Amino acid sequence: GENVEQHPSTLSVQEGDSAVIKCTYSDSASNYFPWYKQELGKRPQLIIDIRSNVGEKKDQRIAVTLNKTAKHFSLHITETQPEDSAVYFCAAGNTGFQKLVFGTGTRLLVSP
Amino acid sequence: NAGVTQTPKFRILKIGQSMTLQCTQDMNHNYMYWYRQDPGMGLKLIYYSVGAGITDKGEVPNGYNVSRSTTEDFPLRLELAAPSQTSVYFCASRNSGQGSQPQHFGDGTRLSIL
Repeated sequence: GENVEQHPSTLSVQEGDSAVIKCTYSDSASNYFPWYKQELGKRPQLIIDIRSNVGEKKDQRIAVTLNKTAKHFSLHITETQPEDSAVYFCAAGNTGFQKLVFGTGTRLLVSP
Repeated sequence: NAGVTQTPKFRILKIGQSMTLQCTQDMNHNYMYWYRQDPGMGLKLIYYSVGAGITDKGEVPNGYNVSRSTTEDFPLRLELAAPSQTSVYFCASRNSGQGSQPQHFGDGTRLSIL
């Protein structure tokens, strides 16, 4: 089955810096890669997703890149703000049943 | 439009007790999912359903049962609670339309088994 690894487990940046979180997946059949943000005690919320027929997707300060050959995808956050502080999860699955396999999360801390 | 509603929000169970975690959605979504999230970890899929009357196992189904008698409701049943089932449980739903429709999560049920 699918296996998703996520790095780093913690990431501390200064406000205004960029942050990059990386994930690798094992199943070449996976074609859907969402990223979720989870604040302490809250539900996961989708922030961006990408399908395997696209190499990059942007939404304001957030971007995701996908390398199908290497089976890895990354989340890029530019001009970080303190409210970006949260745990970020990557996931991999298929666009059909969307049985997602999640990474173990990255705790992002943005210091003012 | 309430989205995905989970009850209860918190519960403490004794070992061997049983309970049902409730999940209901008002978005007319066909797909529904149950995940568990252990402390400091990602979510793991327990069961999912593609429509009323159809359910299937996810990554970690042992110790759980589900049913889907209506489009709106997808309850998760723990028959003999064990300490290893202490976790936060999230229910999610999504549309089955074209493309990768995102999953919408409920607020979770925090379950402790002592």
